[in-house]
This record gives sequence, C-alpha cells and structure tokens, in this order.
Amino acid sequence: QQQVKQSPQSLIVQKGGISIINCAYENTAFDYFPWYQQFPGKGPALLIAIRPDVSEKKEGRFTISFNKSAKQFSLHIMDSQPGDSATYFCAASITNTGNQFYFGTGTSLTVIP
Amino acid sequence: GAVVSQHPSWVICKSGTSVKIECRSLDFQATTMFWYRQFPKQSLMLMATSNEGSKATYEQGVEKDKFLINHASLTLSTLTVTSAHPEDSSFYICSARTSHQETQYFGPGTRLLVL
Repeated sequence: QQQVKQSPQSLIVQKGGISIINCAYENTAFDYFPWYQQFPGKGPALLIAIRPDVSEKKEGRFTISFNKSAKQFSLHIMDSQPGDSATYFCAASITNTGNQFYFGTGTSLTVIP
Repeated sequence: GAVVSQHPSWVICKSGTSVKIECRSLDFQATTMFWYRQFPKQSLMLMATSNEGSKATYEQGVEKDKFLINHASLTLSTLTVTSAHPEDSSFYICSARTSHQETQYFGPGTRLLVL
C-alpha cells in the first residue's frame, strides 16, 4: 500500500517554464513533508520541506504548496533550468515515532533548452 | 553541514562473498541511521532502521541474517551483505538524522554488482 502517491511519473518542461509535481497522502498523522532531488547515480538531496501548519514555503525557485484539508502537497519549480533535470521524490513522516520516511514513487523531470 | 558519506561508492564482487558498506555522518552525531535499497528508476525501499547502540529494526521481507547492520557509534553504521548473490545487485543508500532533526540526510549511495 503506497502511503504517499506522487504524480506525474515523468515531466518534460521547457526552459523557463514552471514544473509542478503533486503528492497526496492518507495518514493525517504525517507532520513533516520533505522533497528530495536525486541525480543519476547519486543519493537524494534535501530540497525543501514543510510542516502542516504552513500552507506555503518558498526557497529560491522552489515552492511547496500544502493543502491540509485535501491531504495534498506539491512542488513548484519556477524558471525551470536544464540543470533541474533530475528525479524528484516527495516524502512524509511522523516525527515523534522514529521519523520513518514514506516516499512517493518519484517524478523524472526533464527540462529542455 | 549535515554531510553523510558512504564507502565504497561502488563494488563488484563474486557470488558467495560478503560485502561491507560503511555510512558515516561527517559533521553531526547520528542517533538514527537508515538503510535503503533502490532499483533503477524506482523509489527508495527502506530496509532497516538502526539506532546507535541498539539492534537494527528490519522491514518486513528483509532478511536480517543476510543484511547485517551495525550502528556502533554516533557517526558510523555498516551494512554487510553476506553471501551475496546476483539478485542482491542494487544501489544501497544510507541516511542519518539526529534526535533533534526532522529530516534525513542521505549518503551518495553504493552501487553493488554481484557476478
């Protein structure tokens, strides 16, 4: 049973465009939602994270939008660049119970020049 | 800050041999370390969680006698793949966190190829 559902599986965006990746969850006990970026052959790197008491968080070109009532959160990459081409994973965890991460299935983003 | 290293970055071994992978937190003390396995174009699959000084907790379906995990210090955890077989070939990634951190910091991964 997939605790966190992620879409789309793959995404192609023109340079300068906006990339949007969506995730949904069922467990309302989740209280921490990070996004990771992974390049081929490398480990995931933390991109940005949010807690459910905030509806939006922005860091540079990356923004998380969080909708608690809909149990959805999304990553927006503004002004997408070819260097952003990577696989993106959302995750969710319950921080006071060992903090096991439940990962989405990943989105392969390709930004074309 | 929050750098996690893994060694080796890749390893090729013969079937039946054992392979040890090290995971180190370089600039923080990791009370908890996690080991993941990742197949090509797939998500990360949690194998086990280890707390410093305690036995690892394995996920369902992961053989603890095959994947030996030791978390002997606050900066080092090791994963030993015993009697490796070709089906154990995969990308193994560790992550680490402290008791005060919400997030996990990942190592660069270790590519294992068993011939």
